Order: sequence, then structure tokens, then C-alpha cells
Amino acid sequence: GQNIDQPTEMTATEGAIVQINCTYQTSGFNGLFWYQQHAGEAPTFLSYNVLDGLEEKGRFSSFLSRSKGYSYLLLKELQMKDSASYLCAGPNQAGTALIFGKGTTLSVSS
Amino acid sequence: DTGVSQNPRHKITKRGQNVTFRCDPISEHNRLYWYRQTLGQGPEFLTYFQNEAQLEKSRLLSDRFSAERPKGSFSTLEIQRTEQGDSAMYLCASRSDDAYNEQFFGPGTRLTVL
Repeated sequence: GQNIDQPTEMTATEGAIVQINCTYQTSGFNGLFWYQQHAGEAPTFLSYNVLDGLEEKGRFSSFLSRSKGYSYLLLKELQMKDSASYLCAGPNQAGTALIFGKGTTLSVSS
Repeated sequence: DTGVSQNPRHKITKRGQNVTFRCDPISEHNRLYWYRQTLGQGPEFLTYFQNEAQLEKSRLLSDRFSAERPKGSFSTLEIQRTEQGDSAMYLCASRSDDAYNEQFFGPGTRLTVL
């Protein structure tokens, strides 16, 4: 089976750095995705990791450790507009669809 | 191309009625997915098409649900005899065939069953 776990909620202040963790248990592995979803909107792609290590993309970075079944999304220089749900997702065993975590709701305050 | 589009954006119906949603994927994407999302949860996979072939269906997809993609372009999702538990956001996503399998999501159809 497959299971993806991430914290339900996090809070942070503008300009700060926040790390959102994700742990996964899958019977096969084919990469890990992070999506951002603002309230009432569709998820939008942030990052994809298939190899161990850190992938940096502007203010957002994503890390993967396949041996530990662990990933995190790092958000730097937080802005109010970063308040959203952050979804960790991995392909199902057949590689035909994504299995999503429940999402981490991040609230950024001034 | 403006991305994945879905219609309607909102649907309110009475219990027992049938509803149909439409998804138009990004034009060059031959893979299309339907997901359902309820409040406080991540999207849950419902079904997957490669061109016009429906290749996978989740156990969440009861007999009251049917999806089609007749010409390998747009897709429809029909729910018959709706129940209050069907109230959710129905998301459509598409992607191309390449190995980097990022899915692009549409804005969703929010269904409310009274």
C-alpha cells in the first residue's frame, strides 16, 4: 500500500523560512511532487524530486531522501501570498496517478 | 492554449438528480485524470484515460459514476442519483507522455448536493 503523511497546519511570519515535511511509504517509488493550492483554486505544480538531494527553484526548494522515505519543501523569504495548502504527492504503484497527502495549510502573518 | 478547463465551475443539485461535468485538457496532452477533493483533504484519484481508453478506475468510483473520453480529447464525468456524500470539488488534470509526469490541474467543479 501507499501512505503519505504531512503536518496539518503551520504558521510563520513574513520574511521567515519554513520547512514542510512529508513522509511516505510506497510499494514502489517513482518520484515525489509538491503542489501549492490556494483556497478554492486548483493545485499548481511546485517541484518534482526523483533523486536524493536538494532541488532549488527560487524561493522554494525541495529535498528528497529515498532511503528514509522523507521529503521536505523549504520556503524562504515568506510572503503573505504564500499562505496556501501545500500538497505532497507520489505516483501510485502503476505510475498512472498521483497519491496525495492531506496537505499542510500554511498561514503567513505580518 | 489556456490550460485545463472545466465546466461548470459550480453545480448545485438535489439528491437523486444526475449531473455531468466536462473537462477540456491541454490540447497536446493524451493523458487525463479525474480526482475528487473534499475539505481538508488532498485530491483523491478517481479514474485515468490514455487517449480514449479508460485504463484505471479507483475503488472510490462507484457504479453511479461513469467517465468517458470518446474522441481522446475532452472528457465527461457523470454522477447518477447523486447523494449528499458526493458533494466535493471534482478536479480534472492532464499531462503529456514524457517521463517527467507533471500533471496540470483544471480549476475544478464544485458540486453541492442538497
